[in-house]
Amino acid sequence: GDSVTQMEGPVTLSEEAFLTINCTYTATGYPSLFWYVQYPGEGLQLLLKATKADDKGSNKGFEATYRKETTSFHLEKGSVQVSDSAVYFCAQGGKLIFGQGTELSVKP
Amino acid sequence: NAGVTQTPKFQVLKTGQSMTLQCAQDMNHNSMYWYRQDPGMGLRLIYYSASEGTTDKGEVPNGYNVSRLNKREFSLRLESAAPSQTSVYFCASSQPSQPPNTGELFFGEGSRLTVL
Repeated sequence: GDSVTQMEGPVTLSEEAFLTINCTYTATGYPSLFWYVQYPGEGLQLLLKATKADDKGSNKGFEATYRKETTSFHLEKGSVQVSDSAVYFCAQGGKLIFGQGTELSVKP
Repeated sequence: NAGVTQTPKFQVLKTGQSMTLQCAQDMNHNSMYWYRQDPGMGLRLIYYSASEGTTDKGEVPNGYNVSRLNKREFSLRLESAAPSQTSVYFCASSQPSQPPNTGELFFGEGSRLTVL
């Protein structure tokens, strides 16, 4: 069945480091892909999305490119901040199939 | 802007007790969802309601029932709680999108349930 797999966490980085969180998916078609972020004590909120192959979603310095050939949607940010500490979820589809989440902790 | 509001935020139950989680959205969205979040497993869909008057099972519906009371409200009921239902529950809503399945889900802040 359809699924989403994310790299295991937690990920700990120093401020201004480069971030990559890997996400791959399996699907019967070409679903829309999403990254959601969950800050401590809050619900999830949309970070970015891409609706078709080769689309790049971007927001708040984060980017992810829909790669059909590798069935991937990796999240990247060039310089993380302490305020980026959160749990990041990759997801696909309409009712949303989520990955297991990757906890990011950024140290000053 | 309230968005999606869930109550209660915290609840402790004993095995066998029943309870209802309430969810309301003020964005006039057609679709509503209940998810549970467990460590290492992401979010899993319990039930969803594509529109007022309809409900469908998601990935993990056993032990739960839902009611789409009106367009705003979507409740989740545990008839006989079990320790395996200890989790954080999230309600979400969305509006149909074009193309389909490209729209954003808006989440509540979550309800943390512990079953002893």
